[in-house]
Amino acid sequence: TQLLEQSPQFLSIQEGENLTVYCNSSSVFSSLQWYRQEPGEGPVLLVTVVTGGEVKKLKRLTFQFGDARKDSSLHITAAQPGDTGLYLCAPRSARQLTFGSGTQLTVLP
Amino acid sequence: KAGVTQTPRYLIKTRGQQVTLSCSPISGHRSVSWYQQTPGQGLQFLFEYFSETQRNKGNFPGRFSGRQFSNSRSEMNVSTLELGDSALYLCASSEQNTEAFFGQGTRLTVV
Repeated sequence: TQLLEQSPQFLSIQEGENLTVYCNSSSVFSSLQWYRQEPGEGPVLLVTVVTGGEVKKLKRLTFQFGDARKDSSLHITAAQPGDTGLYLCAPRSARQLTFGSGTQLTVLP
Repeated sequence: KAGVTQTPRYLIKTRGQQVTLSCSPISGHRSVSWYQQTPGQGLQFLFEYFSETQRNKGNFPGRFSGRQFSNSRSEMNVSTLELGDSALYLCASSEQNTEAFFGQGTRLTVV
């Protein structure tokens, strides 16, 4: 089992601020997925990163996969209240996802 | 295309009772996975079914069971409920080896 550590566990910021959350492991991943879960909903896939060093952008969200494929980060620019949610990372799988503990992000208006 | 549908959305049960939760996957998806989400343990994998067969099972006691029907709909059952079984139970469906799509979950409260 690949153990994933996400940090910080909780983050509360003002609208317009920038932030970065992290997903780390001692194991090497073939690929990694980021999900966002909003209150009362199931997780929704945001992105899959596959190549070490890969950077993917999704509007104001920038995802980076570490060169050694052991870690990943998610940077949000000019956060908005709509970004509020639980951000989860997991090694890519459709059948059995092993999630990190998540970062609960709250963006205050 | 309709998403993953889970019923009921909310459920209150008493300790010792049993409960059955239902999941209707996206049309054409044959894989259905179940997860338990609690504040303390996060999102944990329960089991996965494909074409009516359980392919993977997480580290949960035998009180947790599931099944899948020929139309890919799935049910999970928890017997002899304990207070610690209170959680959000999520179902996800996928085509073979592709992205998993989650339902809104069933919020189970055991009193």
